[in-house]
Amino acid sequence: NAGVTQTPKFQVLKTGQSMTLQCAQDMNHNSMYWYRQDPGMGLRLIYYSASEGTTDKGEVPNGYNVSRLNKREFSLRLESAAPSQTSVYFCASSELDQILTEAFFGQGTRLTVV
Amino acid sequence: GDSVTQMEGPVTLSEEAFLTINCTYTATGYPSLFWYVQYPGEGLQLLLKATKADDKGSNKGFEATYRKETTSFHLEKGSVQVSDSAVYFCALRDTGRRALTFGSGTRLQVQP
Repeated sequence: NAGVTQTPKFQVLKTGQSMTLQCAQDMNHNSMYWYRQDPGMGLRLIYYSASEGTTDKGEVPNGYNVSRLNKREFSLRLESAAPSQTSVYFCASSELDQILTEAFFGQGTRLTVV
Repeated sequence: GDSVTQMEGPVTLSEEAFLTINCTYTATGYPSLFWYVQYPGEGLQLLLKATKADDKGSNKGFEATYRKETTSFHLEKGSVQVSDSAVYFCALRDTGRRALTFGSGTRLQVQP
């Protein structure tokens, strides 16, 4: 039972380079999310997708784009990486139809932009 | 908007000590409340949850009670173990909102 799988686990980029973080879930959840985690700031929502074919901005969307490729996959793209995007990125999924909606998280991608 | 405030860490305790991590929140609706735990090098895992006032969530010896009158959801454990060393996040999902709002996290270090 894989749950939420993120790739890669670690990445170092040079300023201005682009990359895509991949996320896939096997729990048939409708909703998926991308968060970033920075010291002392908890997790902040970048983008989310309530269902296949829809995406919405979260708290800190600038510098990022997302694609909900199908129900399973939700990717996060950095078009031109900046040092301020050095962070740990978490993908999560949940099923909104349940009252006690919990989110399931991947193991994270540690990104360093130099 | 919604927000979650947690006590700053790190919290350092000896094994078998009593643990309290404070969490207060502001929300425009009637939120569900959660505690997540993050062990070193791992993603977040749900620890416990509560959906309405006076509900008590519990798991692995941890407890938290949804207090609407004080807008709080404090995490407690009667006797901590070294294996409880982790970062603990309080979070809420407000009525009609699709995503969780997290606190900044509290690092717990338990010494043998």
